[in-house]
Amino acid sequence: EVQLVESGGGLVQPGGSVRLSCAASGFIFSDHYMDWVRQAPGKGLEWVGRSRKKANSYTTEYAASVKGRFTISRDDSKNSLYLQMNSLKTEDTAVYFCARDLNGSYPFGYWGQGTLVTVSS
Amino acid sequence: SYELTQPPSVSVSPGQTARITCSGDALPKKYAYWYQQKSGQAPVLVIYEDSKRPSGIPERFSASSSGTMATLTISGAQVEDEAAYYCYSTDSSGNHRIFGGGTKLTVL
Repeated sequence: EVQLVESGGGLVQPGGSVRLSCAASGFIFSDHYMDWVRQAPGKGLEWVGRSRKKANSYTTEYAASVKGRFTISRDDSKNSLYLQMNSLKTEDTAVYFCARDLNGSYPFGYWGQGTLVTVSS
Repeated sequence: SYELTQPPSVSVSPGQTARITCSGDALPKKYAYWYQQKSGQAPVLVIYEDSKRPSGIPERFSASSSGTMATLTISGAQVEDEAAYYCYSTDSSGNHRIFGGGTKLTVL
C-alpha cells in the first residue's frame, strides 16, 4: 500500500525558514516523480513544485510564487522527499501535501494527509 | 498567466447527473485531470488524461474534453460524492502547472 506521511509543519515567523519532510513507503520511491501541492485555509489547491527521478537527472521545477525561496530535494536511500522553505511570507500559510505520480506518468496519483505551516508573528 | 476556470458550485439531488466544467485555452492540446477532495481529507485522483478512470473509482464518474472545455460527469450522484472537485492541467508550453479554482458539489 502506498503511504506518504508529511511532517515538519508548525508556526514560523515571517522571514523564517522551515523544512518539510515526506516519508514514502509501499513502493519503489526512486521510480517515481514527486510533487508538493499546498492549500491555504479555505482555498483551492496550488502546485508548488516537482522532483523528478534519477532517470530524469533529479531535475526540479517550481511555481513562480515560490521560485527562489523554496527548494525541493529527495533522498532515495531514505525514501524521503523534502521541501526547504525560506523567506516565508504570511501568504505561504497552508497545508502542504506531498503527492506521487500514478503509474510513473500521471500527476498526483497518491497523496499524503498534509502538514500545516502557519506563517505569523 | 494561464487559468483554468470552474464554476464555484454545482448542486444536484441524489440520483441526478452532475456536470462540472473546466475551461482553459490550452485544453485542446493538454490533458485534463480531475481530483475529488472531501472535507478535511486529501484529494483523490478520479480522472486522468481527459477521460480515464483509475482503478477503484466508481463507474458513475466519467469525463470528456472538447475544445477549450473539459467536463466531469457524475451519473446518478450519491450523497457521498459531495466534495470539492478540482481540474488540473498545464499551459500550452507545459511550463505552468495549474489547478482550477475548484467546484463545490452539493448533493441533497
